[in-house]
Amino acid sequence: GQNIDQPTEMTATEGAIVQINCTYQTSGFNGLFWYQQHAGEAPTFLSYNVLDGLEEKGRFSSFLSRSKGYSYLLLKELQMKDSASYLCAVMDSNYQLIWGAGTKLIIKP
Amino acid sequence: DAMVIQNPRYQVTQFGKPVTLSCSQTLNHNVMYWYQQKSSQAPKLLFHYYDKDFNNEADTPDNFQSRRPNTSFCFLDIRSPGLGDAAMYLCATSGRTGETDTQYFGPGTRLTVL
Repeated sequence: GQNIDQPTEMTATEGAIVQINCTYQTSGFNGLFWYQQHAGEAPTFLSYNVLDGLEEKGRFSSFLSRSKGYSYLLLKELQMKDSASYLCAVMDSNYQLIWGAGTKLIIKP
Repeated sequence: DAMVIQNPRYQVTQFGKPVTLSCSQTLNHNVMYWYQQKSSQAPKLLFHYYDKDFNNEADTPDNFQSRRPNTSFCFLDIRSPGLGDAAMYLCATSGRTGETDTQYFGPGTRLTVL
């Protein structure tokens, strides 16, 4: 079966750095997406990786290792507004998105 | 700004009373998706349209139907809502299917079933 694993919840301090991991097992791979979802709101697109390596976009970076079936989202200089769930999703060989359940990130002052 | 719009944002219905949720987009995207998301769970794909071609997920209950009268609009009909259908319903669009294209979401409709 297809599976996306990410931690259920993480806690970090304002101003710090946090890394949210995602491992996947899917039938085929056509890219990995990270989305941010605030409570009661829709997911918003953060990043897309299809080749191995690090993609940096401001305070957020996303890394991919296809051989390991592994990605992480790195958030720097954490702000209170970064408190949200972070969803990892992989596009499989049928171009369907397989979603993780999300990691709830709690930021403390 | 190009966007995905969902109406209403909050919908309350009674057990068994049909309800329709709507989605419109100004992105001129070919593909439109309907997802169901329950608290602390991953979004679950119900169906999607590639242009007018309808694709139903195998485990989507018959109680859920969809219509796409034109490129811009898509509707989700729940014929006889049960208590288990209370959830956030998310509409998303993307440029093409069969290619890796980012899905963009509307704000969602939160459905309550009394």
